[in-house]
Amino acid sequence: SQKIEQNSEALNIQEGKTATLTCNYTNYSPAYLQWYRQDPGRGPVFLLLIRENEKEKRKERLKVTFDTTLKQSLFHITASQPADSATYLCALPRYSSASKIIFGSGTRLSIRP
Amino acid sequence: EADIYQTPRYLVIGTGKKITLECSQTMGHDKMYWYQQDPGMELHLIHYSYGVNSTEKGDLSSESTVSRIRTEHFPLTLESARPSHTSQYLCASSEWDNSNQPQHFGDGTRLSIL
Repeated sequence: SQKIEQNSEALNIQEGKTATLTCNYTNYSPAYLQWYRQDPGRGPVFLLLIRENEKEKRKERLKVTFDTTLKQSLFHITASQPADSATYLCALPRYSSASKIIFGSGTRLSIRP
Repeated sequence: EADIYQTPRYLVIGTGKKITLECSQTMGHDKMYWYQQDPGMELHLIHYSYGVNSTEKGDLSSESTVSRIRTEHFPLTLESARPSHTSQYLCASSEWDNSNQPQHFGDGTRLSIL
């Protein structure tokens, strides 16, 4: 069955540094991968999508890479700010139905001033 | 900012009550979803709709039911609430497109059954 693994431990980063979050997946070759941000008590908010034929995608201070050989995506936040503190979720389409996606359990990121 | 709304935001209610969680979106999206999420855990799909009069169960077995009579409205009902139903329920929608449209989420209903 499909599995997504994200760092279960919280990541604590000094403000201004680059935060790097990891998403590993197994038993599947997805056509794309999505990243979402979730704040406490709120629903996830879509951030970025990267397709299997794209190595890298950028949006302002965010950068996502997609290595289909390693079955891994890396999510980077450069010049991190305390406002970036949140849980970040990785999501993939289901191999049984591309209309549905499965989510990782997320990595909690804390940026200290 | 996504235009998808869930009510109530919080609900504390006794065992055995009938509950309806409301979800509405103003984006005209065909696809809508209900997820269940416990603290620190991943989202689990419990219901899915392709469009009006089309619903199907998700991966996680749920005693809840849903209906889709109008495109914009996708309510979830629990006929008889139990403490095991205590969780956060998140509603989402996306466009009808096979090419990887993102999901737009509401802020959820945090349900506590006493």
